[in-house]
Amino acid sequence: QKEVEQNSGPLSVPEGAIASLNCTYSDRGSQSFFWYRQYSGKSPELIMFIYSNGDKEDGRFTAQLNKASQYVSLLIRDSQPSDSATYLCAVNKQAGTALIFGKGTTLSVSS
Amino acid sequence: DVKVTQSSRYLVKRTGEKVFLECVQDMDHENMFWYRQDPGLGLRLIYFSYDVKMKEKGDIPEGYSVSREKKERFSLILESASTNQTSMYLCATLRTIHGYTFGSGTRLTVV
Repeated sequence: QKEVEQNSGPLSVPEGAIASLNCTYSDRGSQSFFWYRQYSGKSPELIMFIYSNGDKEDGRFTAQLNKASQYVSLLIRDSQPSDSATYLCAVNKQAGTALIFGKGTTLSVSS
Repeated sequence: DVKVTQSSRYLVKRTGEKVFLECVQDMDHENMFWYRQDPGLGLRLIYFSYDVKMKEKGDIPEGYSVSREKKERFSLILESASTNQTSMYLCATLRTIHGYTFGSGTRLTVV
């Protein structure tokens, strides 16, 4: 079983819609969960992190964590063409601080 | 903001060469990481370091070594470059609970 799984996409949404990105992880001991955005040819940049079950909101972004079901999601409200990128889900290893990344979901927002 | 600088944006090396990839951070962070990123495979951890002169193998250390003689500098060494090491190499530091900050990446081509 892969440690962090994401649908590769592409996920296509129209401008102004809600984009929903999902991620599942296999290590029940994982404590920290991160969403990174990566534009083509650029390095990943942190969007959100979440540690507790429930929702965490930051502007147009909401991260949702359900440890019992071992999934974390990212909602992007009022999607903009500038949100078109690959979104990487990352989870910490139980024993240390190294992050394990999913392969990413490509989001395309059409105007 | 943390600045993570990778010395080269693009590199072309010949098979069998010894290659040094340098990463420097300016915020006195203890934890530093080297990943490679390949299409369809995502980000994979090569090596990481928790402190000066300390190193830990990641998921794909074969063919690589690292050096951390000073806290701010973490070097990735390809002992004898091969074509299957053609990749994007990303260095990162850990901002405690705030996840990684990545460098801009080095795109290495081995011919």
